[in-house]
Amino acid sequence: DAGVTQSPTHLIKTRGQQVTLRCSPKSGHDTVSWYQQALGQGPQFIFQYYEEEERQRGNFPDRFSGHQFPNYSSELNVNALLLGDSALYLCASSFGYSRTEAFFGQGTRLTVV
Amino acid sequence: DAKTTQPNSMESNEEEPVHLPCNHSTISGTDYIHWYRQLPSQGPEYVIHGLTSNVNNRMASLAIAEDRKSSTLILHRATLRDAAVYYCILRGMEYGNKLVFGAGTILRVKS
Repeated sequence: DAGVTQSPTHLIKTRGQQVTLRCSPKSGHDTVSWYQQALGQGPQFIFQYYEEEERQRGNFPDRFSGHQFPNYSSELNVNALLLGDSALYLCASSFGYSRTEAFFGQGTRLTVV
Repeated sequence: DAKTTQPNSMESNEEEPVHLPCNHSTISGTDYIHWYRQLPSQGPEYVIHGLTSNVNNRMASLAIAEDRKSSTLILHRATLRDAAVYYCILRGMEYGNKLVFGAGTILRVKS
């Protein structure tokens, strides 16, 4: 079992550009959530996808958007990048819209210059 | 969002037990208590979760107070690899099952 895999592991982008991050959930999981973690802080919830729909959204602007595919994998898109978007982006998967454990990937380190 | 209160940091000696406390006085009857930890440069790792009864797994034990307003994560024998940030999180339908991370407790383990 490969667990949750994210790609790429590191990324450098310029202000104003757009970026797409990818996540494959743990086998058997159908719910994917995305988190942003700034240096020295706890992860902040961005949004959650279940059955290919965005089910919940945290306090993030519309520049942050996502998608879930029929195979449960997911993408996080960020448009018009700002320096403040530099962070570790984490993907977590779980089974169903439930309260069981979530499994996290190793994250994508995004640096905006 | 559900609120938990944890000490900012704790220190332990290697091979001794560690008790990490968490207060959650506003917990509702259907909220699960989750613990995750995050080692440096890694994503958070699930540790344990419970609802009402104490829980044990290969990593740790979770002791839940009778009124459920507090809980304690117990690492039975701390190792250097247990040095991490530990997060206590309430997860329930009221919050849409999302995980709301606080600042967590930084656990330092001394050899």
